[in-house]
Amino acid sequence: NAGVTQTPKFQVLKTGQSMTLQCAQDMNHEYMSWYRQDPGMGLRLIHYSVGAGITDQGEVPNGYNVSRSTTEDFPLRLLSAAPSQTSVYFCASSYSIGVAASYEQYFGPGTRLTVT
Amino acid sequence: AQSVTQLDSHVSVSEGTPVLLRCNYSSSYSPSLFWYVQHPNKGLQLLLKYTSAATLVKGINGFEAEFKKSETSFHLTKPSAHMSDAAEYFCVMSGGGADGLTFGKGTHLIIQP
Repeated sequence: NAGVTQTPKFQVLKTGQSMTLQCAQDMNHEYMSWYRQDPGMGLRLIHYSVGAGITDQGEVPNGYNVSRSTTEDFPLRLLSAAPSQTSVYFCASSYSIGVAASYEQYFGPGTRLTVT
Repeated sequence: AQSVTQLDSHVSVSEGTPVLLRCNYSSSYSPSLFWYVQHPNKGLQLLLKYTSAATLVKGINGFEAEFKKSETSFHLTKPSAHMSDAAEYFCVMSGGGADGLTFGKGTHLIIQP
């Protein structure tokens, strides 16, 4: 199993450009999510999905779109990049979530995005 | 409200000495609790998890954590630090948050030679 894969590893964008961060998992996990990590702020949830065709907003969804057409893939789209979106982005997947869920999250290696 | 508080943003220890990373939680039900480690420029990796089976949980690389309900704590310990332990550590609780997970803000562990 490759686990959770993310592409690209690094990306530099100019303000106003759009792009898609790719995320895929081969563990047949229903639950997938996107986080951003900024210094001193830990991980913040952007969007998540509990299954194909179902997505929902997290803590910091503005400026980002997601879709989930298959169980395996969960791309994150930046509509019009802004310097405030400079961050490291992590995709994660899990068998399940919810109250007292005991399933671990599997994280991808991250995408380091710089917006100038 | 559900919350996870990592009491130290930075911890510095000498190689070979014990490590203690502190985590307190607040939850209206019995949560599952996790510790993840993030090495520089890497993703997060699971160290250990508590799921109500046993209060003392052993993880990878010699780490362990004890769930104390009376103190609402889940501190991470290791008897003897190694240089390779230098990393960011996250305490995570199931329940709460839009996705059912609540993250602590992380503790940066520094190992002095």
